Amino acid sequence: IAGITQAPTSQILAAGRRMTLRCTQDMRHNAMYWYRQDLGLGLRLIHYSNTAGTTGKGEVPDGYSVSRANTDDFPLTLASAVPSQTSVYFCASSPDRGFYNEQFFGPGTRLTVL
Amino acid sequence: AQSVAQPEDQVNVAEGNPLTVKCTYSVSGNPYLFWYVQYPNRGLQFLLKYITGDNLVKGSYGFEAEFNKSQTSFHLKKPSALVSDSALYFCAVRDGGTGGFKTIFGAGTRLFVKA
Repeated sequence: IAGITQAPTSQILAAGRRMTLRCTQDMRHNAMYWYRQDLGLGLRLIHYSNTAGTTGKGEVPDGYSVSRANTDDFPLTLASAVPSQTSVYFCASSPDRGFYNEQFFGPGTRLTVL
Repeated sequence: AQSVAQPEDQVNVAEGNPLTVKCTYSVSGNPYLFWYVQYPNRGLQFLLKYITGDNLVKGSYGFEAEFNKSQTSFHLKKPSALVSDSALYFCAVRDGGTGGFKTIFGAGTRLFVKA
């Protein structure tokens, strides 16, 4: 059972380049999330999806976009990367958006924008 | 607005001693509280949660947490720490009063357990 997989594991990217971080889950969870983790700031929500075909903005959505064409995949795209987007990115999922649900996290993608 | 605070950046304990990692929260409605652990170069793993019922919640790896409504706290505890418990711990809250989806995470507390 893989749970959530993310790719790539790490990436160094030139500023201005476009980049897509991939996330796939095999748990048939309805809700999926993208977070960024920065030292001293904890995790901040970028975008979320309550179910396939729907997406929403989180706390820090600027410069990022997502799509949810099916249940399993939830890619995060940086249209034109900037150095402030250097971070560790985590994809997560939960069975649905219910308050009582814990989230399951992928291993993360470490992104450096130069 | 909902918020969560972890007042200690780092907690140091000796192996075999009890440990406490503190968390306080602010919500407008009923709180739904979670603890997660992160080991180096890994994603977060769920430890335990408080939804309703008993104030003392038991979770994975011998951890427990006590919900205190009057003090708006949800401290993580373990009676006897292990070196392998050394990791980064996150408290998180969802606000049942807002009808929203968002989970707010604390900044994290790094736990060091010395042998």
